[in-house]
Amino acid sequence: AQTVTQSQPEMSVQEAETVTLSCTYDTSESDYYLFWYKQPPSRQMILVIRQEAYKQQNATENRFSVNFQKAAKSFSLKISDSQLGDAAMYFCAYRSASFGNEKLTFGTGTRLTIIP
Amino acid sequence: GAVVSQHPSRVICKSGTSVKIECRSLDFQATTMFWYRQFPKQSLMLMATSNEGSKATYEQGVEKDKFLINHASLTLSTLTVTSAHPEDSSFYICSARRQGLETQYFGPGTRLLVL
Repeated sequence: AQTVTQSQPEMSVQEAETVTLSCTYDTSESDYYLFWYKQPPSRQMILVIRQEAYKQQNATENRFSVNFQKAAKSFSLKISDSQLGDAAMYFCAYRSASFGNEKLTFGTGTRLTIIP
Repeated sequence: GAVVSQHPSRVICKSGTSVKIECRSLDFQATTMFWYRQFPKQSLMLMATSNEGSKATYEQGVEKDKFLINHASLTLSTLTVTSAHPEDSSFYICSARRQGLETQYFGPGTRLLVL
């Protein structure tokens, strides 16, 4: 079974600075997807960024980028120019690419605080 | 974007009653929908996977007779908590996978309080 580990329960960053959230995972599969979701106080889960394991290029979405290290099974999220609206719980998630195995396995989350 | 709605957003019920929660994909067809449960300050735990027109697949430890799931159309799945008890109080979240894509889009969640 796949597992996802987020070793930082809480992180804080000064507004406009850069912060990196860590995520590692364990799998025996070679093809899969990785996601970062954000859950603000409203508790609505919002997709931040996704990465296909077969792609070597790191995904980027505006101020959000990932450092995907397949061999190390690491998938960190970098948030540049942090804004107050980035304050939320961030969950890393894994999804197999195997047909019929679509469930997401989530990490335990990292609570990000933005300091004005 | 892909929008998923849930109804109701919060519900309070008496112990022993049943509660139905609806999950709708508003602007896309969802062959697969998922139901999660989230306890305070914890991660999301998958309860079951729902495929349109077939029986749901429940995760280990989830009672299928207690949490009834119906996926009657490509845009609607329902979760019914039968004979609810206070320990069923939780935040329930659904997600939908857009047909042909691998990303799940989440609803806003339903807060259930059983008295």
